[in-house]
Amino acid sequence: AQSVTQPDIHITVSEGASLELRCNYSYGATPYLFWYVQSPGQGLQLLLKYFSGDTLVQGIKGFEAEFKRSQSSFNLRKPSVHWSDAAEYFCAVVDYKLSFGAGTTVTVRA
Amino acid sequence: DGGITQSPKYLFRKEGQNVTLSCEQNLNHDAMYWYRQDPGQGLRLIYYSQIVNDFQKGDIAEGYSVSREKKESFPLTVTSAQKNPTAFYLCASSARGGKSLTTGELFFGEGSRLTVL
Repeated sequence: AQSVTQPDIHITVSEGASLELRCNYSYGATPYLFWYVQSPGQGLQLLLKYFSGDTLVQGIKGFEAEFKRSQSSFNLRKPSVHWSDAAEYFCAVVDYKLSFGAGTTVTVRA
Repeated sequence: DGGITQSPKYLFRKEGQNVTLSCEQNLNHDAMYWYRQDPGQGLRLIYYSQIVNDFQKGDIAEGYSVSREKKESFPLTVTSAQKNPTAFYLCASSARGGKSLTTGELFFGEGSRLTVL
């Protein structure tokens, strides 16, 4: 089965600093990849998606992600983090149905 | 506004009781899902439904049951057979994605937190 792995369980970053969250996928063909965000006690919201084409995709809230086939990665980045970015982030891949990684919790310190 | 509504937001259950979590969507989506979320384990798929009157087991279906009598509704029953039901439950829906069950863009409700006393 196709899957995604998020190596980092928890990341702490200072407000205004850059953020990068890692995601590695296991898939034979070109995958459909996604990043979702979950605020505490809430449902998930789609940040961005990659189907094909440009390997750098832009999402909402100032996030972007880069698809690198050679590294089987789809890392999420934000140049300058705001306190409201504190949340849990999930990478996901479609293999008939959507499969999620275990998530990375982001803490933002003042 | 279109979206997904889950109720109740918080639910307490005594051991041995069945409870039903409600999920309603007005997005006209064919596919609906139930996920369970536990700390450090991400989201695990319980059941999904591609069309009315049809549903399939996900990865952790034991101790759960569902129905899909209407396109808009996909209730989940947590039965007494579920040995560790305390968790956060998320309902979602999506448009179909051709040969795939989903396009990948899921719309989520705000979740229901079930606690067994």
